[in-house]
Amino acid sequence: AQSVTQLGSHVSVSEGALVLLRCNYSSSVPPYLFWYVQYPNQGLQLLLKYTSAATLVKGINGFEAEFKKSETSFHLTKPSAHMSDAAEYFCAVSDKTGANNLFFGTGTRLTVIP
Amino acid sequence: DGGITQSPKYLFRKEGQNVTLSCEQNLNHDAMYWYRQDPGQGLRLIYYSQIVNDFQKGDIAEGYSVSREKKESFPLTVTSAQKNPTAFYLCASSKLAGANTGELFFGEGSRLTVL
Repeated sequence: AQSVTQLGSHVSVSEGALVLLRCNYSSSVPPYLFWYVQYPNQGLQLLLKYTSAATLVKGINGFEAEFKKSETSFHLTKPSAHMSDAAEYFCAVSDKTGANNLFFGTGTRLTVIP
Repeated sequence: DGGITQSPKYLFRKEGQNVTLSCEQNLNHDAMYWYRQDPGQGLRLIYYSQIVNDFQKGDIAEGYSVSREKKESFPLTVTSAQKNPTAFYLCASSKLAGANTGELFFGEGSRLTVL
């Protein structure tokens, strides 16, 4: 079975500081991994995805994530936080088999302090 | 522009009433999904459909019903049997499973409040 664990339901960083949002996955097969962002009262938007190509994935808005098989991790980072990064972030895993195959973490709310 | 349209954005309902949330997509996607979002619980799958006239229950289907009469449309009915319907509901779509990398495209959501 596939699952993801997001460590920390709330993360606060100062504007300009490093953003690190943690995600660990469990999968019985090589996974596809995703990070989505959700702004208040809106749907989810794809930030980036890992689909077994390069292990370092670059996404929109300056975010990137590194797939580490040995650590079963897919942490999201951004070198310098901006006020507009304040949102909720969801990690998700897919086992690539069938339509019902995306499993979401419980989310991490990022607050950016001016 | 292609995308997913959900309506209404906000909806209030009295206890005992059924309500239907609309979801329309013009992405030519085969698969469509309904998720429920509650604070601190992430997204939970209610129903999904891979083709017209066919749909499957997700993890929390009790008290909900759906139909898929057209490829573009996947309405969700929240029935009076749903014990705690107040939530944020998200509709999503994706390409057919065989070509699916798991990437979902989401609408902007409908917030249902039961008074």
